[in-house]
Amino acid sequence: KAGVTQTPRYLIKTRGQQVTLSCSPISGHRSVSWYQQTPGQGLQFLFEYFSETQRNKGNFPGRFSGRQFSNSRSEMNVSTLELGDSALYLCASSSTTDTQYFGPGTRLTVL
Amino acid sequence: KNEVEQSPQNLTAQEGEFITINCSYSVGISALHWLQQHPGGGIVSLFMLSSGKKKHGRLIATINIQEKHSSLHITASHPRDSAVYICAVKRGAQKLVFGQGTRLTINP
Repeated sequence: KAGVTQTPRYLIKTRGQQVTLSCSPISGHRSVSWYQQTPGQGLQFLFEYFSETQRNKGNFPGRFSGRQFSNSRSEMNVSTLELGDSALYLCASSSTTDTQYFGPGTRLTVL
Repeated sequence: KNEVEQSPQNLTAQEGEFITINCSYSVGISALHWLQQHPGGGIVSLFMLSSGKKKHGRLIATINIQEKHSSLHITASHPRDSAVYICAVKRGAQKLVFGQGTRLTINP
């Protein structure tokens, strides 16, 4: 089975712009979670989707949003980018076993 | 105080040494995960535990629910084990909460 894929792998944006990141889970996995990793805060949970429904949400401002499509692919969007949004964004998929399979991440730099 | 605390934050050892990384948490949990992150960012899930002990190759993970503590052990450590090891806990259907990670360096 192919692993979790994320696109793009690297992205450079400027403050005020918006960005959309994409995640394709492992075939058959219906749960997709998104995480932000920064040197200062470490790994933090953003949101989790299961069968197109948001099941959990982390403590992030409303500028961070996401969605999941019927084929389980997921996107997250960050609007009005700030310098502090520079981070590695990771998505992970899981089946019913709860073991998370992580993608390679998208490294976002905001200038 | 963070919900999940790892120690040590940094660990340097010689090849072949026995390694222990500790994780303490402050709330009741349904599961605890150990993750490995290599330079470049890729994360691999090593173990998911809710009780007892699990072993995979040279890696062993244990958890003591009463003491709210887990350990990750690496036997016969090798330079390719150099990575950041992250502990994360889950409460029921709630989100994963992560420790700050332990940076392990194994010198040949």
